[in-house]
Amino acid sequence: DAGVIQSPRHEVTEMGQEVTLRCKPISGHNSLFWYRQTMMRGLELLIYFNNNVPIDDSGMPEDRFSAKMPNASFSTLKIQPSEPRDSAVYFCASSLGVDSPLHFGNGTRLTVT
Amino acid sequence: RKEVEQDPGPFNVPEGATVAFNCTYSNSASQSFFWYRQDCRKEPKLLMSVYSSGNEDGRFTAQLNRASQYISLLIRDSKLSDSATYLCVVNRGANNLFFGTGTRLTVIP
Repeated sequence: DAGVIQSPRHEVTEMGQEVTLRCKPISGHNSLFWYRQTMMRGLELLIYFNNNVPIDDSGMPEDRFSAKMPNASFSTLKIQPSEPRDSAVYFCASSLGVDSPLHFGNGTRLTVT
Repeated sequence: RKEVEQDPGPFNVPEGATVAFNCTYSNSASQSFFWYRQDCRKEPKLLMSVYSSGNEDGRFTAQLNRASQYISLLIRDSKLSDSATYLCVVNRGANNLFFGTGTRLTVIP
């Protein structure tokens, strides 16, 4: 039974470059979340979708961040241009529906130099 | 005041010990509660949901105190493999989730 699949596992890029993170939620799950985790700030919700529609993007840091969910089985988080302060682990999670427990992917570790 | 507060620890306990963590939340309208476990450099994984009447899963017991607005996690007979960070999660409804910063546990041989 496949869990949430994220790619890439690791990304190292230079400041100013575009970064695209990808996520495939668990089949049948209706809600999808993007989180960022750092030592200083813990887990922060960036955005979440319900039935492919963005519901809450208040956690997106600024216009450099954008997220899409073109269909029920795929989502992207894009950072353009990237900055060193974006370095973090980015997790995608999905859930069966509103208020169901979250299932996390194994994350993308992003380093911006 | 933060939505969810946890003692960051670390808690260092010997094998076989019983250890308990608390997590307080600020919004009395919060609807559901969970404990997650996160190993170093891994993703958070659901450990257990927390029900109003309290619930147990093997060596783990979770309890909810709505009057005092806290949830707790009790681990009995600690194993080395229990070493991890434990995150409490509070749901205010409609996927309005708040994660604590986690409590780090190290079980010592």
